[in-house]
Amino acid sequence: IVMTQSPAILSVSAGERATLSCRASQSVSSNLAWYQQRLGQGPRLLIYGASTRAPGIPARFSGSGSGTEFTLTISSLQSEDFAVYYCQQYNNWPPRYTFGPGTKVDIK
Amino acid sequence: QVQLVESGGGVVQPGRSLRLTCAASGFTFSSYAMHWVRQAPGKGLEWVAVTSFDGRKTYYADSVKGRFTLSRDNSGNTLYLQMSSLRAEDTAVYYCARDLNDRGYFDYWGPGTLVTVSS
Repeated sequence: IVMTQSPAILSVSAGERATLSCRASQSVSSNLAWYQQRLGQGPRLLIYGASTRAPGIPARFSGSGSGTEFTLTISSLQSEDFAVYYCQQYNNWPPRYTFGPGTKVDIK
Repeated sequence: QVQLVESGGGVVQPGRSLRLTCAASGFTFSSYAMHWVRQAPGKGLEWVAVTSFDGRKTYYADSVKGRFTLSRDNSGNTLYLQMSSLRAEDTAVYYCARDLNDRGYFDYWGPGTLVTVSS
């Protein structure tokens, strides 16, 4: 399953809303996760099951979608949110998990 | 607190072998499936392999199948990735990651260890 993300780069001002898109080449049901990766760090799980926030993740992060189209929304960007965001599908069995190429959220 | 710390990375010649280690602490290691995920320099994430909580089942990405072997020592809270017949395209930061609900998504990641395959 091939994952695509858009846009590749999203320039946003602090306090603004950011909307990131992820598309799967075939249905993955709700088996979709989102991760944040800050420069020089390992990824951090934000969302799983397409819309469930991981423990400790602020409420400004929300996920939606099912099937092939998914969205990650950050309601009001904070300085620490400028990072790269990846979607990942985990629908295959046996496992053939795949990630999208990422969306970089940049300071406008 | 949950900690995962990878080690064993370095520079290795094409065709040679290397073993990565992931030391786990702060949780019941033997209760969780564990994965390796890699990231080539400046690139995105690629899932590499997974082992079940008891080590009885392992699955690999097609790109490493037959060359990499994943194992675990639950008594020592350690995960291993034995890599052989290394290629230039295996150059990456390798992360170990915990599977949150045995479903295929990862709630804790280590800081990673860099493997460079070069002559």
